[in-house]
Amino acid sequence: EVQLVESGGTVVQIGGSLRLSCTASGFTFDDYTMHWVRQAPGKGLEWVSLISWDASYSYYAGSVTGRFTISRDNSNKSLYLQMSSLTPEDTAIYYCAKDRSGFGFDSWGPGTLVTVSS
Amino acid sequence: EVVLTQSPLTLSVSPGERATLSCRASQSVARDLAWYQQKPGQAPRLLIYAASTRATGIPARFSGSGSGTEFTLTISSLQSEDFGIYYCQQYNNWPPYTFGQGTKLEIK
Repeated sequence: EVQLVESGGTVVQIGGSLRLSCTASGFTFDDYTMHWVRQAPGKGLEWVSLISWDASYSYYAGSVTGRFTISRDNSNKSLYLQMSSLTPEDTAIYYCAKDRSGFGFDSWGPGTLVTVSS
Repeated sequence: EVVLTQSPLTLSVSPGERATLSCRASQSVARDLAWYQQKPGQAPRLLIYAASTRATGIPARFSGSGSGTEFTLTISSLQSEDFGIYYCQQYNNWPPYTFGQGTKLEIK
């Protein structure tokens, strides 16, 4: 069974930094592109970033470019999101999601809540 | 950036009836469209990909259709467990991947 579990969410001050982690199991992690998607309280889904299976390329939403960095450690089946210069607009549940080989996101973690506050 | 517009924003349907949800893209996405269901407090779940292919374990009452800029998700006979918010997503023109704003499906 595919499992994704995020961690690292907490309350952080405006301008602060935070690193989220996602641990994967139940599938061959290094075969798949992985994503971060976020959801602000009461709002819709916003794609944040992706990283290819071998970390050879990554992409970001315009709202986080230059502030967030995605990475992965295939040996530990882990995905990361380093976030900096956080603003209240970054407050959201952050989900990691597995790419269905170019056909949507077929597995999601339960999410981790990041709250940016003064 | 491809903008996806879903309609209606809220839909109230009685059990056993048909529910039809729409998603319109600002430019053609071919058939590179997925549908997700999200229940309160849960992560989204993939229902449909490639516009019309059901994901693993998704009941046959869920069907998708469309191509280009117009897409539809149909739930043929609504069950009580089908309430939630439904999102469409395009993966034709990325980055960014984009989602619609969601349709809230209520059980009447």
